[in-house]
Amino acid sequence: QKEVEQNSGPLSVPEGAIASLNCTYSDRVSQSFFWYRQYSGKSPELIMSIYSNGDKEDGRFTAQLNKASQYVSLLIRDSQPSDSATYLCAVNQRAAGNKLTFGGGTRVLVKP
Amino acid sequence: GAGVSQSPRYKVAKRGQDVALRCDPISGHVSLFWYQQALGQGPEFLTYFQNEAQLDKSGLPSDRFFAERPEGSVSTLKIQRTQQEDSAVYLCASSLALGQDTGELFFGEGSRLTVL
Repeated sequence: QKEVEQNSGPLSVPEGAIASLNCTYSDRVSQSFFWYRQYSGKSPELIMSIYSNGDKEDGRFTAQLNKASQYVSLLIRDSQPSDSATYLCAVNQRAAGNKLTFGGGTRVLVKP
Repeated sequence: GAGVSQSPRYKVAKRGQDVALRCDPISGHVSLFWYQQALGQGPEFLTYFQNEAQLDKSGLPSDRFFAERPEGSVSTLKIQRTQQEDSAVYLCASSLALGQDTGELFFGEGSRLTVL
């Protein structure tokens, strides 16, 4: 079992719809959770971080964390073609020496 | 520029050759990380430096991989006797924070290594 798991997609959503991305992690002591966006051929860039259970909203993005279920999600509202990218879930495990572990990424395609 | 700079952007090596990949982090960033990203996969942790100290090298796949950051700024990832399975994008990231408490890693554009 991989430490951080994501559906590889592609997740195809029409423009203006909500894209919902899911991520599960295996280590219960994980403390910090992040979503990175990676355009094809480019480097990852941080879009959201979340540290406590519940929802965190930033513009069109909402991150949701449920530590009991070891589950973190990202919602993209009013999806735009420019949101088409791979979204990487990353988990920080302090017990593992502050290593940031990434999932395999979910490819999102927003169709006009 | 103000971002993380990596060179070369592209490197083609024959199997068995040695390669060196350079990373120039954002000025003042204490922490520096190397990741390996295969096509269609997420980045895989290789090694971590805090200033000049290599605090974690648990992700280096074999003793052919070696990284250094002698003066606490520029870092070099060296791969000896390259193999085809070493073909990947090597990403360097830096962070102002100690360790990865914030997770706000700033990534370079990567060095794409192709081993023939």
